[in-house]
Amino acid sequence: SAVISQKPSRDICQRGTSLTIQCQVDSQVTMMFWYRQQPGQSLTLIATANQGSEATYESGFVIDKFPISRPNLTFSTLTVSNMSPEDSSIYLCSVEHGQGAGGYTFGSGTRLTVV
Amino acid sequence: TQLLEQSPQFLSIQEGENLTVYCNSSSVFSSLQWYRQEPGEGPVLLVTVVTGGEVKKLKRLTFQFGDARKDSSLHITAAQPGDTGLYLCATNTGNQFYFGTGTSLTVIP
Repeated sequence: SAVISQKPSRDICQRGTSLTIQCQVDSQVTMMFWYRQQPGQSLTLIATANQGSEATYESGFVIDKFPISRPNLTFSTLTVSNMSPEDSSIYLCSVEHGQGAGGYTFGSGTRLTVV
Repeated sequence: TQLLEQSPQFLSIQEGENLTVYCNSSSVFSSLQWYRQEPGEGPVLLVTVVTGGEVKKLKRLTFQFGDARKDSSLHITAAQPGDTGLYLCATNTGNQFYFGTGTSLTVIP
């Protein structure tokens, strides 16, 4: 299965600033997925990033707040813009597991705290 | 409304005890996955079940897919502290991938 390197692993940011999270995959993948997760809770899909086209956002998430880049088949970034304390959460990227197993492989997550 | 409801939401047990986690839905699925997530890490795929009534074993973990493919269970025998984590069921439907509500398990030494 694919291996994902996600960074930063954690950050503490000031209100009103922006943070860009990076995910690097060790193989080429068509789609990359970005999730948000409150500690101890389930995951909520933010958007799906396809190379060469605009990301597809889920209900409740907009491009101005969470701009996504997908410059090639192995890399994507998610920016959390104009942050507020409500944005404090864990952000994860994911790709399909591959090898016919179904399911998905995840990065180790970015724990964001906005103060 | 959650597509996949898990129960219990929280579970704290002593080392050596057995436990079962449930994942229920009113919808029928072609397959269902189970993940475990440890603190500071992303979810890790444990198993995929695809056939109604299917049972898969992974060491002390037993996964079952309901006959009607609407529900699944995860049974852990003789739980160990290393089993501590968040357990999530998940499935694809159409182009969407959904996670269950999650079960947070703590195994006390």
